[in-house]
Amino acid sequence: GIQVEQSPPDLILQEGANSTLRCNFSDSVNNLQWFHQNPWGQLINLFYIPSGTKQNGRLSATTVATERYSLLYISSSQTTDSGVYFCAVLNQAGTALIFGKGTTLSVSS
Amino acid sequence: ETGVTQTPRHLVMGMTNKKSLKCEQHLGHNAMYWYKQSAKKPLELMFVYSLEERVENNSVPSRFSPECPNSSHLFLHLHTLQPEDSALYLCASSQDVGTGELFFGEGSRLTVL
Repeated sequence: GIQVEQSPPDLILQEGANSTLRCNFSDSVNNLQWFHQNPWGQLINLFYIPSGTKQNGRLSATTVATERYSLLYISSSQTTDSGVYFCAVLNQAGTALIFGKGTTLSVSS
Repeated sequence: ETGVTQTPRHLVMGMTNKKSLKCEQHLGHNAMYWYKQSAKKPLELMFVYSLEERVENNSVPSRFSPECPNSSHLFLHLHTLQPEDSALYLCASSQDVGTGELFFGEGSRLTVL
């Protein structure tokens, strides 16, 4: 099946720093999403981005489908950005998203 | 009201109990999903439903029994669970199976004693 690899696994930042999270996938996909899981377990949609670039405030994402990777950029990080960031892509059966292991981000003030 | 609601948020049960998790989506979606998130593991897909019909059972043990009475409601019936089944169970929905954005509920945190 499709493999999803995220890096780095852990990231520690000072408030105000910028960061880039990476998601590599092993096969072509037509559905890719980024999620943020807060400390209470809620998964929040960040981007639906099978290709191209999108921006939402301090966050932006780029997917280069032909090269099988996606990047999530966080600028001017805040403590509320802490949590786990997941990348998910459509499985080969085309029925559901499968998830990477996530990047755990800790932002300190 | 949030788009996908799950109850209960927390559940503690013994290995011989029978309990159910409930999920309701208010987004008019046709597809609903159960995922399991164990400590230190990525989210694992359990079941996929499209318009009340199960389209995928991802090798889940029979002690987990899903039910989808209509396109807005999804249940996960639990019986004779094991302590290793303790996890966060997440319900999600999307417009159709495998298409569009996936929206999650807040999850039901299950502890099996």
